[in-house]
Amino acid sequence: QKEVEQNSGPLSVPEGAIASLNCTYSDRGSQSFFWYRQYSGKSPELIMSIYSNGDKEDGRFTAQLNKASQYVSLLIRDSQPSDSATYLCAGGMDSSYKLIFGSGTRLLVRP
Amino acid sequence: ETGVTQTPRHLVMGMTNKKSLKCEQHLGHNAMYWYKQSAKKPLELMFVYNFKEQTENNSVPSRFSPECPNSSHLFLHLHTLQPEDSALYLCASSHVTSGGYKIRAGELFFGEGSRLTVL
Repeated sequence: QKEVEQNSGPLSVPEGAIASLNCTYSDRGSQSFFWYRQYSGKSPELIMSIYSNGDKEDGRFTAQLNKASQYVSLLIRDSQPSDSATYLCAGGMDSSYKLIFGSGTRLLVRP
Repeated sequence: ETGVTQTPRHLVMGMTNKKSLKCEQHLGHNAMYWYKQSAKKPLELMFVYNFKEQTENNSVPSRFSPECPNSSHLFLHLHTLQPEDSALYLCASSHVTSGGYKIRAGELFFGEGSRLTVL
């Protein structure tokens, strides 16, 4: 059973801080990983994709992938209250079309 | 219209009713998905269509019946549902090349969802 594990949170950080969200996965064959943001009552929205080991930066977001440790993370710099949402980690769409989602980490950014 | 649109946004049905959820994508994608989102549980893949062909059926009960007439439209037909089927049903689309190259396939674009309540 392929799994993606996330701490459900909530992770609470003050405005302006760095929020660090983490995810582990069980399938060593997974090559592609994704972070989705889901606001309460809304559908998930893709914010980052990462396909190779190392870091990928996009504005205030940095995704990190460590395949040896089967670990994916998302860093949000200069966190804003508008970043408060549930962040879903997903991976595994390599040999099939089945993207495996974690349960999500709820992030709260305090003003 | 742009993106992925789902109708209806909210649906209440009895266990003996038959209803359908509709999804339409205007992104030129060739793969479409149905996901189920229940409280406190991960997003659960139900069905995948790639170029109108069903490629995944994730052990979904037969009371859920998908239909994909073309690469822009996807339906989920519902009949004799159970109260535990109450959930948010999300449609998504992504791009998969004709050669089956799947790297970008995980970049899903979701619709707003259809909130289903089964009484």
